[in-house]
Amino acid sequence: RKEVEQDPGPFNVPEGATVAFNCTYSNSASQSFFWYRQDCRKEPKLLMSVYSSGNEDGRFTAQLNRASQYISLLIRDSKLSDSATYLCVVNRRNQGGKLIFGQGTELSVKP
Amino acid sequence: GAGVSQSPSNKVTEKGKDVELRCDPISGHTALYWYRQSLGQGLEFLIYFQGNSAPDKSGLPSDRFSAERTGGSVSTLTIQRTQQEDSAVYLCASSLRVLDYNEQFFGPGTRLTVL
Repeated sequence: RKEVEQDPGPFNVPEGATVAFNCTYSNSASQSFFWYRQDCRKEPKLLMSVYSSGNEDGRFTAQLNRASQYISLLIRDSKLSDSATYLCVVNRRNQGGKLIFGQGTELSVKP
Repeated sequence: GAGVSQSPSNKVTEKGKDVELRCDPISGHTALYWYRQSLGQGLEFLIYFQGNSAPDKSGLPSDRFSAERTGGSVSTLTIQRTQQEDSAVYLCASSLRVLDYNEQFFGPGTRLTVL
């Protein structure tokens, strides 16, 4: 079992749809949580950090449940430009910032 | 400003040859990370540097892999006696400091193909 697990996808949604990504992590020493976005054949880029109280950035909302070891990302009013692979990422306490990646969930937003 | 740069962008080599991959981090970033991304494996950590020292080499897959960083800046990842399973995209990232919550900025990667 991988340390970070995500919905396998792909998700195919129409423009304007709301889409939710789920992620679970197995190591309770996980300390920091992120969502990265990776466009086809490009490098990953930080989309947002995930805080215990939940956080929002425009159309994007991230939630963390430490008790369930569960992370989510919600995209509202999806745009064509949101098409990408979304990576759930964690790192562990005192591990020097080393990132542990989920397999990623591909999103395709159609007109 | 300039981001993380990597060279070469593509490398095709024959099985058994040695290869060197280079990473130039963002100026002033003290932490540097190497990852690789292969089909079916996703992104996996290889090694990180704090300054010129490498406190965690746990992700290096075998002793054919080594990395160094000099002058607290450029890093090279060397793969000796390459094998076909080494084919992957090798990504370098840097961050301001080695802290759990620091954003890591990734370079465009080196796509390595071992024939």
